[in-house]
Amino acid sequence: DAKTTQPNSMESNEEEPVHLPCNHSTISGTDYIHWYRQLPSQGPEYVIHGLTSNVNNRMASLAIAEDRKSSTLILHRATLRDAAVYYCILRDETGTASKLTFGTGTRLQVTL
Amino acid sequence: NAGVTQTPKFQVLKTGQSMTLQCAQDMNHNSMYWYRQDPGMGLRLIYYSASEGTTDKGEVPNGYNVSRLNKREFSLRLESAAPSQTSVYFCASSEARKAGSKQYFGPGTRLTVT
Repeated sequence: DAKTTQPNSMESNEEEPVHLPCNHSTISGTDYIHWYRQLPSQGPEYVIHGLTSNVNNRMASLAIAEDRKSSTLILHRATLRDAAVYYCILRDETGTASKLTFGTGTRLQVTL
Repeated sequence: NAGVTQTPKFQVLKTGQSMTLQCAQDMNHNSMYWYRQDPGMGLRLIYYSASEGTTDKGEVPNGYNVSRLNKREFSLRLESAAPSQTSVYFCASSEARKAGSKQYFGPGTRLTVT
């Protein structure tokens, strides 16, 4: 599976936008870019995914570089409830099941 | 709609004891997964079931067995628990493999093996 590289931690002020980067220089043409987050003491939850084009949903936006070697998860206005570990995952869509390979993610700290 | 449920929430075992972790989903999903998460680490896939009647090994299957009892239920068994299996275990499910399908996770089972 192609690997991703994320900063270990980031900090943000509440109500400010947050840009969480992810590098995936070995991404293949069949890999979708998925983002999940894990709030403290909970299971991961889906945030957003994309293939080539930028994507928006009610939780966040995903900006994908033209060469697909990097992407950025954008939280438009961080709140204290967004404090979590954010995982950038490349998912191979060619297998029998859509498995996720988690790295160590980026721990986002949100302060008042 | 409960989503993915797991039992028990907490468990303490002695080395050598056995136990089964239960997982059920009510979303009519075909695929189910078991992950473990050690402190400060990301999740690692133990076993998965792409569809009812099939199971496959993931990244760290040693010391575990699984049963896809029916479409709703996927259990994980530790035959002889070891301290190295102390971890948080998460079950997940997803729709049949299609591009971009989401995985939905349960709340986890915290297992301590002494």
